Amino acid sequence: GAVVSQHPSRVICKSGTSVKIECRSLDFQATTMFWYRQFPKKSLMLMATSNEGSKATYEQGVEKDKFLINHASLTLSTLTVTSAHPEDSSFYICSAPTSGYETQYFGPGTRLLVL
Amino acid sequence: SQQGEEDPQALSIQEGENATMNCSYKTSINNLQWYRQNSGRGLVHLILIRSNEREKHSGRLRVTLDTSKKSSSLLITASRAADTASYFCATDDSNSGYALNFGKGTSLLVTP
Repeated sequence: GAVVSQHPSRVICKSGTSVKIECRSLDFQATTMFWYRQFPKKSLMLMATSNEGSKATYEQGVEKDKFLINHASLTLSTLTVTSAHPEDSSFYICSAPTSGYETQYFGPGTRLLVL
Repeated sequence: SQQGEEDPQALSIQEGENATMNCSYKTSINNLQWYRQNSGRGLVHLILIRSNEREKHSGRLRVTLDTSKKSSSLLITASRAADTASYFCATDDSNSGYALNFGKGTSLLVTP
């Protein structure tokens, strides 16, 4: 079946640094990918929709200058957390919709810890 | 925006028992889906039920949908320890380019 990968799986960084998270569709093309954020024992919150070749669409309350999204190819979307702060520590998950957009394939997630 | 609400938030049962989780939502939908998440992992799609369907089966899973009550239930029969995970319902949102709105999830613990 289709697979979505994320890299890195976990990252620890110092406050003020930037962290890039990659989301790849391994055996299919994804013109759209979604980025979610999940706090411990909480649900997934949609952050933004990544569109290949165009600007990402951000959900209300998500700072686009802080969470930079680039969807440069049909198989890769990146999320960069700029000037990370401890409150940005979270579990970030990407997904890509199946053909027909009915269901989604999820990446394994990236755990970010900002010290 | 979050619109799915699952209950219970946590459920603990013994192997062999059935587990029932419920989900309510607020807006009209095209379909409702259930996903499973093992601790610290990504989500795995379990089953999708369309708005014109009332019940669907997949192996030990049974999903019902009541659009008049805006609710769905997920039944796992003959549970196993390996079923221990968090289960989320999700509804589609055509306004967000088909992103999913997730409920808060039910944490299921199946003890041997």
